[in-house]
Amino acid sequence: TQLLEQSPQFLSIQEGENLTVYCNSSSVFSSLQWYRQEPGEGPVLLVTVVTGGEVKKLKRLTFQFGDARKDSSLHITAAQPGDTGLYLCAGADGGNQFYFGTGTSLTVIP
Amino acid sequence: ETGVTQTPRHLVMGMTNKKSLKCEQHLGHNAMYWYKQSAKKPLELMFVYNFKEQTENNSVPSRFSPECPNSSHLFLHLHTLQPEDSALYLCASSQGTITDTQYFGPGTRLTVL
Repeated sequence: TQLLEQSPQFLSIQEGENLTVYCNSSSVFSSLQWYRQEPGEGPVLLVTVVTGGEVKKLKRLTFQFGDARKDSSLHITAAQPGDTGLYLCAGADGGNQFYFGTGTSLTVIP
Repeated sequence: ETGVTQTPRHLVMGMTNKKSLKCEQHLGHNAMYWYKQSAKKPLELMFVYNFKEQTENNSVPSRFSPECPNSSHLFLHLHTLQPEDSALYLCASSQGTITDTQYFGPGTRLTVL
């Protein structure tokens, strides 16, 4: 099993603040994805990164894949209440296996 | 109906019961997956099906039995479960491989008494 550790586990911030969520592993992944899951729903894909050092931006969200393809970060600028949810990173091992991270529960307070 | 649907949304069963979870995808995908989401544990991939053929079984106990009659439907048959099997069971589908965008259903919340 390839473990993906996310930090922090819980995060509660005020609307308008910035935040960063980290996803770390000792294993190399061929690609890494970030999902957001809201209560009562399944995870929804936000982004896929495949190249070491890659940076992708999705409106106020910035995703980075580490140079060694073992870690990733998600930065949210000017968080809004609609960003509230469980953020999950997930990595593929190049075969048919897929591993999810431990999750970061984000609450943005209006 | 669009996307991935799962029924039932909630299920309570005794340890001696037999029940089935159903997943249906309306996206024309060729791969379907079962995941288990427990409190305090990462989402775990249980089974992978490609073109109706099971390609992965991640050491899942035999009390969980998947069935994929066609590329649009996936079942998870449950029998003699344990209380620790209580969890949210999520179904997902993707076009071809597990690294393609996966679309998840809303899940079935299972409680085993």
